[in-house]
Amino acid sequence: QVQLQQSGPGLVKPSQTLSLTCAIPGDSVSSAWNWIRQSPSRGLEWLGRTYYNSRWYSDYALSVKSRITINLDTSKNQFSLQLNSMTPEDTAVYYCARGFLRAGVDYWGQGTLVTVSS
Amino acid sequence: QSALTQPASVSGSPGQSITISCTGTSSDVADYNYVAWYQQHPGKAPKLMIYEVSNRPSGVSNRFSGSKSGNTASLTISGLQAEDEADYYCSSYTISSTLYVFGTGTKVTVL
Repeated sequence: QVQLQQSGPGLVKPSQTLSLTCAIPGDSVSSAWNWIRQSPSRGLEWLGRTYYNSRWYSDYALSVKSRITINLDTSKNQFSLQLNSMTPEDTAVYYCARGFLRAGVDYWGQGTLVTVSS
Repeated sequence: QSALTQPASVSGSPGQSITISCTGTSSDVADYNYVAWYQQHPGKAPKLMIYEVSNRPSGVSNRFSGSKSGNTASLTISGLQAEDEADYYCSSYTISSTLYVFGTGTKVTVL
């Protein structure tokens, strides 16, 4: 059983940056590491991922591409999400998840409810 | 990239079989054998039930099975049990730069 442990704030002010981290087990180069969010209005939405293939790559959803960064710190066994210019529409439960290159994700973090409000 | 289409709700009695459909397009479900199904109980994270259309991860009951025909994937739950009552979501790899699309979700009720 793979355990992913998320941490980060549950409240962000409009226009500010959301920063979440996800602690992962070792051997980070064997999997893709994803961020996904869920809200009543948008359902489940894949945001992006990072993975290793001779070097680290990142892929991002078109809907957030201009304001998202996903990084992995191998020394700390964790990866992170930064989402800039937050608006109330970004209010959602954010999940980190381990996955495959194409076959989706298998293990999920516990989720973090992020509310965007002043 | 539009969400995959699922029925809002499906119900069945204990012991019965139910099937949930997931309709996509030639940009996702029809073109790739990378359809996954997730089960989500209230307040919990989704759990992988099926990957690559019809494969079950270790530990998932063989009462869950998946299939695909054209642009529609299906999840069948046989021998329905009370613990199967949950929301179910499909997902597919896509041709677009938004690599994964999820379904709209189906609430399964055990009568």
